[in-house]
Amino acid sequence: AQKITQTQPGMFVQEKEAVTLDCTYDTSDQSYGLFWYKQPSSGEMIFLIYQGSYDEQNATEGRYSLNFQKARKSANLVISASQLGDSAMYFCAMRPRGSGGYNKLIFGAGTRLAVHP
Amino acid sequence: GAVVSQHPSWVICKSGTSVKIECRSLDFQATTMFWYRQFPKQSLMLMATSNEGSKATYEQGVEKDKFLINHASLTLSTLTVTSAHPEDSSFYICSARDRGVQYFGAGTRLSVL
Repeated sequence: AQKITQTQPGMFVQEKEAVTLDCTYDTSDQSYGLFWYKQPSSGEMIFLIYQGSYDEQNATEGRYSLNFQKARKSANLVISASQLGDSAMYFCAMRPRGSGGYNKLIFGAGTRLAVHP
Repeated sequence: GAVVSQHPSWVICKSGTSVKIECRSLDFQATTMFWYRQFPKQSLMLMATSNEGSKATYEQGVEKDKFLINHASLTLSTLTVTSAHPEDSSFYICSARDRGVQYFGAGTRLSVL
């Protein structure tokens, strides 16, 4: 079964410190994509970072990096130098290859991050 | 990244009326758009996949007659909640795919009285 697991319902971090949000996935596909989205209290879903299953390098986008460990089926998000504006809900998502050709995303339950000053 | 616009952002309606939500891709064309529903403090639940020029594909358990989807052009998909009831109150959010990444609209908060 295709599944995304985020085991941390909530996380706290001090401003300017780094934080890791965990994500593990389950798929039998060889080709898939992994995504992280941020959802602030306003509700919009903001795309942060993408990792392809065949990418050998870990993806990075500014302060965001994805710690991709294929053998362990994990795709943790690392946020460096946390800012108050990083406080939000974070969702890990997977796009398995066998998604009917429509690129459906499977979402995890999310992790709520609170950044303290 | 690509921009997806969703309107309205908030709507209140009376029970029994219909509500239309629009989802537009502003700077790209989208043959496929997606409609999600999100309950408070929960993850996104895919309702349907909207295909330009053809019928939408609904997920199991989603009533196609209740949630009408029209994808009339490469930049516009609409979701109509027909004969809305209080249990339809929720946060609805659309997305469109651009070069492998799904970009989301800002969402619509529907309250049915």
